[in-house]
Amino acid sequence: DGGITQSPKYLFRKEGQNVTLSCEQNLNHDAMYWYRQDPGQGLRLIYYSQIVNDFQKGDIAEGYSVSREKKESFPLTVTSAQKNPTAFYLCASSIRGGYTFGSGTRLTVV
Amino acid sequence: AQSVTQLDSQVPVFEEAPVELRCNYSSSVSVYLFWYVQYPNQGLQLLLKYLSGSTLVKGINGFEAEFNKSQTSFHLRKPSVHISDTAEYFCAVSDLDSGGSNYKLTFGKGTLLTVNP
Repeated sequence: DGGITQSPKYLFRKEGQNVTLSCEQNLNHDAMYWYRQDPGQGLRLIYYSQIVNDFQKGDIAEGYSVSREKKESFPLTVTSAQKNPTAFYLCASSIRGGYTFGSGTRLTVV
Repeated sequence: AQSVTQLDSQVPVFEEAPVELRCNYSSSVSVYLFWYVQYPNQGLQLLLKYLSGSTLVKGINGFEAEFNKSQTSFHLRKPSVHISDTAEYFCAVSDLDSGGSNYKLTFGKGTLLTVNP
């Protein structure tokens, strides 16, 4: 079955460390997205990519970085510059008006 | 920039009562509209979507929504709710970004629906 796989499901980070969240899709979708979810804030767009080797900043890109070297993969790095990284992160992909979401990664700074 | 307003952050209802979750968006151009449901610690599941055509859209689990272009609204309704409908519901709009070549999805802040026995 096609879908989006996010890993790990839970991630703990020490302050000052960079961490990378994985997102892989086998849907052959061109576009991929990263969202951050905080209680009462809804989902806010971090980065998005329409094609390989190209991506755009979303509304809250500061402290994050991405790469899109393969169509199937869109990893998100949470850098030490992100001052409040504890959140639930969701990856999505889309084609022609249809969006599919992964099951999320919960990142906690310890 | 596109914005989505979900007018109620929390909606408590009794089982078997009708419910309406309200959503307004800001765009004046053609958009795609979505409602998603999220259960705790899970991803988002699509309830229904409006891309074009009939303004009344039927989705899964007995939900439906009506697209009203003049009022820029896309309210979600269910005639009789169940305990299992307790979850957070998100309205979202997809349209072109400021560059005009990429679609992006903008979400409201969510409505927590709590169904009580």
